[in-house]
Amino acid sequence: DAKTTQPTSMDCAEGRAANLPCNHSTISGNEYVYWYRQIHSQGPQYIIHGLKNNETNEMASLIITEDRKSSTLILPHATLRDTAVYYCIVRVEETSGSRLTFGEGTQLTVNP
Amino acid sequence: ETGVTQSPTHLIKTRGQQVTLRCSSQSGHNTVSWYQQALGQGPQFIFQYYREEENGRGNFPPRFSGLQFPNYSSELNVNALELDDSALYLCASSLLRGTAFFGQGTRLTVV
Repeated sequence: DAKTTQPTSMDCAEGRAANLPCNHSTISGNEYVYWYRQIHSQGPQYIIHGLKNNETNEMASLIITEDRKSSTLILPHATLRDTAVYYCIVRVEETSGSRLTFGEGTQLTVNP
Repeated sequence: ETGVTQSPTHLIKTRGQQVTLRCSSQSGHNTVSWYQQALGQGPQFIFQYYREEENGRGNFPPRFSGLQFPNYSSELNVNALELDDSALYLCASSLLRGTAFFGQGTRLTVV
């Protein structure tokens, strides 16, 4: 799986947009970008994923650059409950299945 | 809520013992993956089960084994427990090439 690079930590003010960057310069054409988050000692929560186009759902937006070498997860109005470790993962779709290769993620802290 | 349930939530075992962890997948999902998460690290892939067969394995020794049942629920078995096996064990269910949804995990402590 392609390796991803994320900042170790970020801070955001409550009510402001949180923009979490991710570099995946070795991504291949059939690899999806997935984002999960993990609140302390809970299971990872799926947020969003995309291949080429920008995506939006009720939780977040995902912006993927045209060359697909980087992406940004946007939480439009961060709340204290968004404090978590955010993982950017590049996943290969294989005929035999798939696996998620987690890195260290970004610790996002939303401050009042 | 993801619909993926794991049991037990917490467990304490002694070094050398064996343990079985259980996972019920989300309705409609036929694939279960297991991950180990040591303190302060990201989850590491152990293996995946699809249609009751192992369908991919990470870098874990054979004492980590699993089963998947006809109803797609799954078990993770670990033999000859070591202190380093202390971790949060996560189960994720999905369709074979679909998005994985995680349970809340089982916290295993080996003493």
